Amino acid sequence: ETTVTQSPASLSMAVGEKVSISCKTSTDIDDDMNWYQQKSGEAPKLLISEGNTLRPGVPSRFSSSGYGTDFVFTINNVLLGDEGIYYCQQSDNVPFTFGSGTKLEIK
Amino acid sequence: EVQLVESGGSLVQPGGSLKLSCVASGFTFSNYWMDWVRQTPGKSLEWIGEINTDGSKTNYAPSIKDRFTISRDNAKSTLYLQMSNVKSDDTAIYYCTRNDGSPFDYWGQGVMVTVSS
Repeated sequence: ETTVTQSPASLSMAVGEKVSISCKTSTDIDDDMNWYQQKSGEAPKLLISEGNTLRPGVPSRFSSSGYGTDFVFTINNVLLGDEGIYYCQQSDNVPFTFGSGTKLEIK
Repeated sequence: EVQLVESGGSLVQPGGSLKLSCVASGFTFSNYWMDWVRQTPGKSLEWIGEINTDGSKTNYAPSIKDRFTISRDNAKSTLYLQMSNVKSDDTAIYYCTRNDGSPFDYWGQGVMVTVSS
């Protein structure tokens, strides 16, 4: 089973700042990493899928990079509406596994 | 518009059984693998399992294998999760998701399952 280690657990950022979230996997997963945003009381929403592919309708402020075992998710010019919890998830092998989440607070 | 609507969540006693349903609309249900993902209170997400397009193949997480069964009825565009011998650790919000080649591109609103005596 591939373990996904996500950091940091929480972030507090001001509007306009840059956010970076890291996920490291215990096995090589190529670029089979996905990123989700979950706002309070809602289901997760897929933002970026395998191959660092931005999903339709997702602002270009969101991006990701990485291959193998190290991955980074970035939000440029963070907005108040970006508050929520962000999760990474590997889709290289079953069982699919998620990171523990990063809670983003906007000051 | 893609919609996934779960139902069947409730309070169930340890050792009991429960069946969740997820009705899909807005896409050709029979063309997609479907998955269940759960979220325990205040904690992260856990993949439960998946089923292929015609229901002939399933994969499960080790934590629930042999207790949960995923099935589907393509004629009714409905996905199911049969839960048996439930434990307190199974208390969670259960989400039905569409599997777009492994990323979960659409999620239902979730249904709460509480295991308690």
